[in-house]
Amino acid sequence: ETGVTQTPRHLVMGMTNKKSLKCEQHLGHNAMYWYKQSAKKPLELMFVYNFKEQTENNSVPSRFSPECPNSSHLFLHLHTLQPEDSALYLCASSPGSPEQYFGPGTRLTVT
Amino acid sequence: AQTVTQSQPEMSVQEAETVTLSCTYDTSESDYYLFWYKQPPSRQMILVIRQEAYKQQNATENRFSVNFQKAAKSFSLKISDSQLGDAAMYFCAYKSGLEDFGNEKLTFGTGTRLTIIP
Repeated sequence: ETGVTQTPRHLVMGMTNKKSLKCEQHLGHNAMYWYKQSAKKPLELMFVYNFKEQTENNSVPSRFSPECPNSSHLFLHLHTLQPEDSALYLCASSPGSPEQYFGPGTRLTVT
Repeated sequence: AQTVTQSQPEMSVQEAETVTLSCTYDTSESDYYLFWYKQPPSRQMILVIRQEAYKQQNATENRFSVNFQKAAKSFSLKISDSQLGDAAMYFCAYKSGLEDFGNEKLTFGTGTRLTIIP
């Protein structure tokens, strides 16, 4: 248990649905991240937030929309996704040291 | 851009034996960090060990140790006295030392699936 939680753990959605993934950490970390993990591919960094400000958008399609209302919470809003967006979505946080601490992920299936 | 390569998609080891997982990386930087993360079936990515490039001494955490060869850009993980709970995907990761703290970007390899044979 790293202190980073993610909900839901599993999500199945149609291509026309709108859903949101939630990440929460109460570790006092100032940076939060979204990663996408697809089978047989390295983890792909999607977004970085530092002190609630987005500092990185790694060329992610606009159907993924992040939101960071405070340093403890991070959301990923999803709409009109494609089947190839099915993956494990991991949230991480870091306290300003080089390590990142990951949540358990949300397994997303787009039908 | 930095790249991380893990050339062993799968490895297996007998319980209580020692296994070494390989990782190579490519970078033009001299200041950086290297990590090994473990991802068991529960999917939680757990930090196993960290190495600073400026340190010559290899990092050790209990049964886990690394062989860091900076000139060869090699960073292998040795697991001693393997236990059933060590079964997982193991990812090697790189972080530049040039970026500001709080804005770390990790570059990951594709992972090695480790199976422990009872």
